[in-house]
Amino acid sequence: EIVLTQSPGTLSLSPGARATLSCRASQSVSSIYLAWYQQKPGQAPRLLIYGASSRATGIPDRFSGSGSGTDFTLTISRLEPEDFAVYYCQHYGSSPLWTFGQGTKVEIK
Amino acid sequence: EVQLVESGGGLVQPGGSLRLSCAASGFTVSVYYMSWVRQAPGKGLEWVSGFYSGGNTNYADSVKGRLTISRDNSKNTLYLQMNSLRAEDTAVYYCARGTSSYYYFDSWGQGTLVTVSS
Repeated sequence: EIVLTQSPGTLSLSPGARATLSCRASQSVSSIYLAWYQQKPGQAPRLLIYGASSRATGIPDRFSGSGSGTDFTLTISRLEPEDFAVYYCQHYGSSPLWTFGQGTKVEIK
Repeated sequence: EVQLVESGGGLVQPGGSLRLSCAASGFTVSVYYMSWVRQAPGKGLEWVSGFYSGGNTNYADSVKGRLTISRDNSKNTLYLQMNSLRAEDTAVYYCARGTSSYYYFDSWGQGTLVTVSS
């Protein structure tokens, strides 16, 4: 089983700041199987990034993903008020087939 | 517009049963991999079960033998039959559509809350 560990647990930043979120896999994974989601309170998750670095439809270009092997990063270049949310990374292919990290909360400082 | 609407959640006693529904519009469920993903209160996301376009199904080990996923193509609806429910099944259950590669989930419903408690 591949375990995804996200850090930090909480990121306190001001609007306009740059956010860097980490997702570390317990063993090397193919980047094609790595995705990021955003979840706001009371809402369903929304696909942001797939294949580690491709933006999903309608996602602003301030969101970018990178990484390979065991270390992946979601970067928000300049935080907008609507970006304060919880972010999850997700991997496909181990057992269970779809696994999620525990999440990183981006909160307003 | 793609839309997924879950229903059927509620309060049930331990050992009880519940059936969740996910009505889809804007696309045909039989063409996609469809899944149920749950989120316990204040916790992260957990994949529960899925239904491939070809008819195969899969389950997380934690629910195998107790939860059954099914699909009604004529109603364009996905179901989750939940039996022998436990307190640890308490969660918001989301219906989600897989991408064409089924590696990710590109559309989600708003979720339905299942509470297992006496």
